[in-house]
Amino acid sequence: DAGVTQSPTHLIKTRGQQVTLRCSPKSGHDTVSWYQQALGQGPQFIFQYYEEEERQRGNFPDRFSGHQFPNYSSELNVNALLLGDSALYLCASSLDGPQGYTFGSGTRLTVV
Amino acid sequence: GEDVEQSLFLSVREGDSSVINCTYTDSSSTYLYWYKQEPGAGLQLLTYIFSNMDMKQDQRLTVLLNKKDKHLSLRIADTQTGDSAIYFCAESIRGSQGNLIFGKGTKLSVKP
Repeated sequence: DAGVTQSPTHLIKTRGQQVTLRCSPKSGHDTVSWYQQALGQGPQFIFQYYEEEERQRGNFPDRFSGHQFPNYSSELNVNALLLGDSALYLCASSLDGPQGYTFGSGTRLTVV
Repeated sequence: GEDVEQSLFLSVREGDSSVINCTYTDSSSTYLYWYKQEPGAGLQLLTYIFSNMDMKQDQRLTVLLNKKDKHLSLRIADTQTGDSAIYFCAESIRGSQGNLIFGKGTKLSVKP
C-alpha cells in the first residue's frame, strides 16, 4: 500500500504565478483534505473534498481552490501567489471512523 | 474560539519517560489526536482518544485526557533517540471527518 502520495515534492514559483499540487489518497480512502503548514507552525486546514465536492473549508481566501476526481485523487490550486504562501502543503486522506487521517509527505512550495 | 496550545520544547535523556502536554479550548471536541513529524516528512498518526475516555494505552504510549480541564497528555515510556521529532496535538470538533485543529507542536529532543 503506497499510502498518500503527493507531487511534486518541491516547487519554486514566482510571486503572482499560479500553482497546482496533486494528491493520490491511500487505497480505499474516499475523503481528501488539504493543510498548509508554515515554518514552525502546526498545519492549518484549507478544505476537504468528498464525492467530488468541497465539503468543508477553512479560513483561506478564494485564491485557494481544489478539485477531486472520480478516482478520489485531488488537486490544490493557488492563484496569484504571494510570498506568504510559501509553506509545506499536506494532503490527508481518510475513511469515516476515528482513525483520523493518513498524511502524505507534502509539497514544499517556495514563492520568490 | 478554537485553539490548541502546546509547550514548544522538551528535552529528555534516553530511557527516561517523556510527557508532552496540550490544552484545547473547544468543549465539543469529539476526538483528540497525537501526530509525530520527523524532519522533512509528513505527519504520522501515533494514537487518538475519544472524548468520553480518560486514558488510552498503546505499547509505550499512554494518553491521558482531563476533559474538565481540557488537558491532554502523551507519555512516551523508555524514550529512545528515534523518538526525537515534533509532536502535534490535534482536536476534531465535528467528529472524525471534521477538520483537525493543530497545536504548534512540541519539539522533543532525546539525548543519549
